[in-house]
Amino acid sequence: EVQLVESGGGLAQPGWSLRLSCVASGFKFEDYDIHWVRQVPGKGLEWVSVISWNSVSIYYADSVEGRFTIYRDNDQYSMYLQMNSLRTEDTGLYYCATTLRRCPRGRCYQTNYFVNWGRGTLVTVSS
Amino acid sequence: EIVLTQSPDSLSLSPGEGVILSCRASQSVGTSVAWYQLKRGQAPRLLIYDASTRATGIPARFSGSGSGTDFTLTISSLEPEDFAVYYCQQCEDWPPLTFGGGTHMEI
Repeated sequence: EVQLVESGGGLAQPGWSLRLSCVASGFKFEDYDIHWVRQVPGKGLEWVSVISWNSVSIYYADSVEGRFTIYRDNDQYSMYLQMNSLRTEDTGLYYCATTLRRCPRGRCYQTNYFVNWGRGTLVTVSS
Repeated sequence: EIVLTQSPDSLSLSPGEGVILSCRASQSVGTSVAWYQLKRGQAPRLLIYDASTRATGIPARFSGSGSGTDFTLTISSLEPEDFAVYYCQQCEDWPPLTFGGGTHMEI
C-alpha cells in the first residue's frame, strides 16, 4: 500500500524557518517525482513545488520561490521542504503527493495528476 | 498562469440528488483536467483525470466531461459520503499547476 506521511509542521512567527518532511513507503520512491501542495484557509489548494525523481528538475510557485527549498533522499525514501522567511500567508495544511504514472508500450512517464497524498502537516505562521 | 474558476462556490443538497459542478479555464487546457475530493482529516482523493477518466476505485456515479475551457463533474445520485469539497486542477500548462477555488457541497 502506498503511504506518504508528512511531518514538521507547527507554529512559527513571521521570518522564522521550518523544515517539512515526507516519508514514503509502498512504492519505488526513486522512480517518482514528488510534489508539495498546500491547502490555504479560505483559498483552497495551491501547488507549491515539485522535485523530479533524480532531483534534476525542481520548480516552485512564484509565491515561495527564493524562500523554500525542496530536496530528497532516495535512499531514505524521504523528501523535504525547507521553508525560510515564513510569512503569514504560508499558513496552511501541507501535503506531499505523487502523480499518476503511465507506461505506454513499456516506456513510463509521470503525469501531473495527484494520485497519492498524505494527510498533511499543519503550518501556522503568526505573531 | 491558467486560472480555473469553479461554480457554484457552495451548495446544499440531499442524498439521492444529482449534481453538476463546473470548472472554467482562462485559456484552453485541452483535456488535461482532474477533479479531487477533499474531506477534513483525510487525504485528498483523485476522482477524475484527463477530464473524463475515472481513477481506480472511483464509483461509476462520478463522471467528468469537457474539453478546452469548460469542464463538469457530475455525481448522478449523491451518497452521504459524497458531501465534501471538490476541486478541479489543470496540468496542461505549468509551472504552476493550478487548482480551482473549490465547491463546498453540504447536506
